[in-house]
Amino acid sequence: KAGVTQTPRYLIKTRGQQVTLSCSPISGHRSVSWYQQTPGQGLQFLFEYFSETQRNKGNFPGRFSGRQFSNSRSEMNVSTLELGDSALYLCASSQGQAYGYTFGSGTRLTVV
Amino acid sequence: DQQVKQNSPSLSVQEGRISILNCDYTNSMFDYFLWYKKYPAEGPTFLISISSIKDKNEDGRFTVFLNKSAKHLSLHIVPSQPGDSAVYFCAAHGEGGYQKVTFGIGTKLQVIP
Repeated sequence: KAGVTQTPRYLIKTRGQQVTLSCSPISGHRSVSWYQQTPGQGLQFLFEYFSETQRNKGNFPGRFSGRQFSNSRSEMNVSTLELGDSALYLCASSQGQAYGYTFGSGTRLTVV
Repeated sequence: DQQVKQNSPSLSVQEGRISILNCDYTNSMFDYFLWYKKYPAEGPTFLISISSIKDKNEDGRFTVFLNKSAKHLSLHIVPSQPGDSAVYFCAAHGEGGYQKVTFGIGTKLQVIP
């Protein structure tokens, strides 16, 4: 069974640009969550989608947005990129919280 | 405000000995606790979980202990192996439906051969 797939793996963008990251969950998983990982900050929760609806949202500015499609694939968008947005962005899918979350390998975003 | 705290950024243990990773939390609404392991350039991998109705859960070499009154949990790895060297994240969420999962900042474990 295929795992969680995130594309692209690496990305370099310039300040002020926008970026879209993609996540394909494990087949059958309807919940998709996004996290930002930076050194010293651990995994910071961005948002979680279930059946195309945003269920939970973390404490990030409105420049960070996401969506989920009917096939459970999810995209995350960051507009007006800042240097501080450089991080590893992780997507995780779940079939139920008691089963834990399966993470993708992440997209490493570098803003220059 | 960090609701899940991992106060030890790193830990070194000799191969074959016990590794104990600690985690404290402040939110009394947390009802479910998880541990994840992360290797460089990979996403975190789910290791083991425990619900608040238990005080211990064991899976092979991994055991998680929960002390609700102290709002403390720990992960024990016995015996430790060099392949266990990774960053370990503690996470927690409340009960019911899909709750936001809060992660700690991680503890880097190094198992020395």
